[in-house]
Amino acid sequence: EIVLTQSPGTLSLSPGERATLSCRASQSVTRSYLAWYQQKRGQPPRLLIYGPSSRATGIPDRFSGSGSGTDFTLTISRLEPEDFAVYYCQQYATSPYTFGQGTKLEIK
Amino acid sequence: EVLLVESGGDLVQPGRSLRLSCTTSGFNFNYYSMHWVRQVPGKGLEWVSGLTWGSRIIEYSDSVKGRFTISRDNSKASLYLQMNSLRIEDTAFYYCARASSSSDVVVSGYFDLWGRGTLVTVSS
Repeated sequence: EIVLTQSPGTLSLSPGERATLSCRASQSVTRSYLAWYQQKRGQPPRLLIYGPSSRATGIPDRFSGSGSGTDFTLTISRLEPEDFAVYYCQQYATSPYTFGQGTKLEIK
Repeated sequence: EVLLVESGGDLVQPGRSLRLSCTTSGFNFNYYSMHWVRQVPGKGLEWVSGLTWGSRIIEYSDSVKGRFTISRDNSKASLYLQMNSLRIEDTAFYYCARASSSSDVVVSGYFDLWGRGTLVTVSS
């Protein structure tokens, strides 16, 4: 099983700042089949990024993904108030299709 | 409008069974792999099971293998999860999710559509 470790656990930033979220895999993720999701309280997850740098439909270009192998990054260039939420990475290369434990992005 | 609506969640005793349904609309259900993902309230996401559009490939997490059965009815655009021998640790919100794969030999894919979930509580 591929274990995904996200860091930091909590990130405290202000609107307008840049956010960098990390996802590290215990083994190489084949074809960089890694996705990022955003989840707000009381809502299901929403796909942001896949593959690992393609934005999903309707996702603003302030969200970007990068990485390969075992190290992946989600960057939010300039935080908007609606971006404060929990973010999960997921690998969809190898069953079981595991998720990271999440990074909570909170307002400083 | 594209919709995935889960139902069937309930409070049940350990050892009992429950069947979840996910009714979809607004897209060609026959074309996509579908999955179940669960989330303990306040905790992270856990993939449970998935199957290809023609049910040729079916996969389960080790935590549910042998107890849960995923299935689909393409004529009804619906996904199901039969949950037997329920345990306290199965308590969670259960989401159905559409995967990007349109192959009948590849079940995986990123999850581009999610339902709002249904809550299963296992307690005596």
